[in-house]
Amino acid sequence: DVKVTQSSRYLVKRTGEKVFLECVQDMDHENMFWYRQDPGLGLRLIYFSYDVKMKEKGDIPEGYSVSREKKERFSLILESASTNQTSMYLCASSLGRRFRQNQPQHFGDGTRLSIL
Amino acid sequence: AQSVAQPEDQVNVAEGNPLTVKCTYSVSGNPYLFWYVQYPNRGLQFLLKYITGDNLVKGSYGFEAEFNKSQTSFHLKKPSALVSDSALYFCAVRLPLYAGNNRKLIWGLGTSLAVNP
Repeated sequence: DVKVTQSSRYLVKRTGEKVFLECVQDMDHENMFWYRQDPGLGLRLIYFSYDVKMKEKGDIPEGYSVSREKKERFSLILESASTNQTSMYLCASSLGRRFRQNQPQHFGDGTRLSIL
Repeated sequence: AQSVAQPEDQVNVAEGNPLTVKCTYSVSGNPYLFWYVQYPNRGLQFLLKYITGDNLVKGSYGFEAEFNKSQTSFHLKKPSALVSDSALYFCAVRLPLYAGNNRKLIWGLGTSLAVNP
C-alpha cells in the first residue's frame, strides 16, 4: 500500500513565524500535491510538483512556497504565518505522466495547523 | 468554466437502505472521474474511478458509480448502507491530457453522508 506521511498531525504556531510542513511518500510517485481544506470550501490546491525541483502554482499559492529536493519529499512553507492560514493541510501523491494521468491521488492524514 | 457540483451538502439514509451521493460535472471533452471518501480526522481515500468503457464502475467497500455522459453525472451508489459508511464524500474530475490540461483535479465541495442505525 502507498504510504503518505505528514510530519505532524497537529501544529500550533504564532503569527509571523516561518512554518514548515513536511510530506514523504514511499511509492516512487512523480506527482505530489499540497491542499488546504476548509469547511464549506472543499479542497483547494496550493502547489504541486511533477518532478524533483519542479513546481507549479495551484489555485491559492499566495503566502506559500514549496520545495522538492528529493523525489519522495515535498515541503510546504508558510513564509510568514497569518491567522487566515489556520486550516487542515493535506499532502497527496500520484503516479506521473507515463500513466496517462488517470491514476488516483493518495493522501496523508493531514496536518491541522493553528496560527495564533 | 470547468466545474464539479455535488448538489447535496448532506445525505441521510437508514442503515440497510440504498444510498446515492450525486455528482455532476461541466467540462469539455471526456474527463476522468473519481470518488474519494474522508473519514473523521483522516485524509482522503480513493474509492473508484471512471476512465472509459463500462458505465458502471465498482470500487472499494461495496461502492459503485454510474457514469452518464448525456447527463454529465457520476453518482456514487451502494445497495445497502452501513453506519460505518458515514463520512465525507468527494467527487473529482481530471481533464484529459489531449486538451492541453495539467495534472490538477477539479474537486466538488463534498457531501456529508450520515447513515442512521
